[in-house]
Amino acid sequence: NAGVTQTPKFRVLKTGQSMTLLCAQDMNHEYMYWYRQDPGMGLRLIHYSVGEGTTAKGEVPDGYNVSRLKKQNFLLGLESAAPSQTSVYFCASRSGRDHEQFFGPGTRLTVL
Amino acid sequence: GENVEQHPSTLSVQEGDSAVIKCTYSDSASNYFPWYKQELGKGPQLIIDIRSNVGEKKDQRIAVTLNKTAKHFSLHITETQPEDSAVYFCAASPNNYGQNFVFGPGTRLSVLP
Repeated sequence: NAGVTQTPKFRVLKTGQSMTLLCAQDMNHEYMYWYRQDPGMGLRLIHYSVGEGTTAKGEVPDGYNVSRLKKQNFLLGLESAAPSQTSVYFCASRSGRDHEQFFGPGTRLTVL
Repeated sequence: GENVEQHPSTLSVQEGDSAVIKCTYSDSASNYFPWYKQELGKGPQLIIDIRSNVGEKKDQRIAVTLNKTAKHFSLHITETQPEDSAVYFCAASPNNYGQNFVFGPGTRLSVLP
């Protein structure tokens, strides 16, 4: 099992550009999450999904959109990137029967 | 909403010594408290967790204690080894938060040989 994978690993954007981050999991998990990690602030939840076709806002959803068209994939989109979105983004997933979240390796995004 | 504080932000110990990291939470409805370890360049990984109906849990060199009255919980690592060097995050899960987590800001632990 590959677990949770994220694409790409690194990306540099200019202000105003758009991009999509892809998260994939092969554990048949119902729940999927997108977090951002900034120095001294831990992990903050952006959006999450409790199943295929569903999405919900987390703590810091502004400027991001998500989609969960397939159970194994969770996409995070930035329509018009801003320097404040420079961060490391982590995807996570978990089953509906357990609390443990399994994290991907992260995507480092820089917005110039 | 829930707020989780974590102390210290950095911690250095000699190999073989013990390390203690403390967290406090604000929402008395929180009922699940995990600890995650993040090694350099990797995603966080669960190392131990505790539920609100238990006061202490151990797993080899790692233990977690919970004081629901005071709303704080702690991670204890004994006989530290260089591979314990990492960033540790605590989290709390409020009962009415869809089982999502609120994470603390993290503690960078360095184990000196």
